[in-house]
Amino acid sequence: HSALTQPASVSGSPGQSITISCTGTSSDVGGFSLVSWYQQHPGKGPKLVIYEVTERPSGVSDRFSGSKSGNTASLTISGLQAEDEADYYCCSYAGSSTYVFGTGTEITVL
Amino acid sequence: EVQLVQTGGGLIQPGGSLRLSCAASGINVSTNYMTWVRQAPGKGLEWVSVIYRPGGTYYADAVKGRFTISRDNSKNIFYLQMNSLRAEDTAVYYCARGVSSLDYWGQGTLVTVSS
Repeated sequence: HSALTQPASVSGSPGQSITISCTGTSSDVGGFSLVSWYQQHPGKGPKLVIYEVTERPSGVSDRFSGSKSGNTASLTISGLQAEDEADYYCCSYAGSSTYVFGTGTEITVL
Repeated sequence: EVQLVQTGGGLIQPGGSLRLSCAASGINVSTNYMTWVRQAPGKGLEWVSVIYRPGGTYYADAVKGRFTISRDNSKNIFYLQMNSLRAEDTAVYYCARGVSSLDYWGQGTLVTVSS
């Protein structure tokens, strides 16, 4: 499976809302409700922020939300804060018990 | 508190073998799905392998036939045995709990394949 397609970078001002897209195919994103999102700060390990498309783990800010339409999943960060500046990766089930990550998006808070 | 502590990694020549370990505390590896993910220098995350709770194992095409995931329930550790290593396997390797949602991660360990 090829990596899911994400924009390389997205930027926004503090307080704004931004949305990151994650585009796959009907064999991965479009075919299953098993999309997760991870936040990774420079030099750190990934952190789960959304799972099963829309679910938020305990302890994750409600400013993070997820959705999916067809073969594209999205992560929205509302009320953007300086601490949200990081790389974000989507991940989807790809069939046959395998998974595929997205290409990653760098979020810059202006 | 759940902790995943990784050991292993380092510099290895092409064609060589290496075993990564991921020691768990706060959870039992025998009753959890456990996953390996890697990240090449300056690149994105790449899914590598998963071991299911009943014991099924699955691999990315890039490592199939060369890597083996396993676990030792008595030691509460799971492993990634990497054989026939290639330069393109150079990456930070992370262990994580889960399969479709990876909620706890190890600290990562660097594997460098170079002569």
